Amino acid sequence: KAGVTQTPRYLIKTRGQQVTLSCSPISGHRSVSWYQQTPGQGLQFLFEYFSETQRNKGNFPGRFSGRQFSNSRSEMNVSTLELGDSALYLCASSFTHQGDTEAFFGQGTRLTVV
Amino acid sequence: KQEVTQIPAALSVPEGENLVLNCSFTDSAIYNLQWFRQDPGKGLTSLLLIQSSQREQTSGRLNASLDKSSGRSTLYIAASQPGDSATYLCAARSDNAGNMLTFGGGTRLMVKP
Repeated sequence: KAGVTQTPRYLIKTRGQQVTLSCSPISGHRSVSWYQQTPGQGLQFLFEYFSETQRNKGNFPGRFSGRQFSNSRSEMNVSTLELGDSALYLCASSFTHQGDTEAFFGQGTRLTVV
Repeated sequence: KQEVTQIPAALSVPEGENLVLNCSFTDSAIYNLQWFRQDPGKGLTSLLLIQSSQREQTSGRLNASLDKSSGRSTLYIAASQPGDSATYLCAARSDNAGNMLTFGGGTRLMVKP
């Protein structure tokens, strides 16, 4: 069974540009969450999508947005990039079975803003 | 608001030692708690998942415990090996928060040969 796939693995963007990151969850998983990881703040929750609806949102500015498609694939968009957006962006897909909900993470997309 | 803390932030041990990593959380209304391993620059690998109704889970040399009343979880690694060197993260999934995970800052473990 394939794991969570994130593309691209690495990105370099200039301040002010926008970027779109993609996440394909494990087959059958309907929940996709996004996290930002930085050395200073650690792992912070961005948002969760379930069946194409945003179910939960973290404390990030409106420049960060996302969506989920009918096949559960998700995209995250960051507009008007700032230097502080440089981070590892991680996607997790989750599945609930017999009361257990477990998250599985992708390898991440390393975004560098210059 | 849930807050998760991990102590120590870094740990260096000789190969073969048994060790304990600590995780504490402020809100005991958790659905479950998950332990992850992260290698430098990589994603997170799930190690163990403990439901709120469980006291512990075991996988190979790893044993995780959960005490909701005291807001603590521990990850016990037996007979540590250099290949165990990584950052270990705990994450709490709170009730009524969907699948949002609140992470601790992690413990960076180095096992020396």
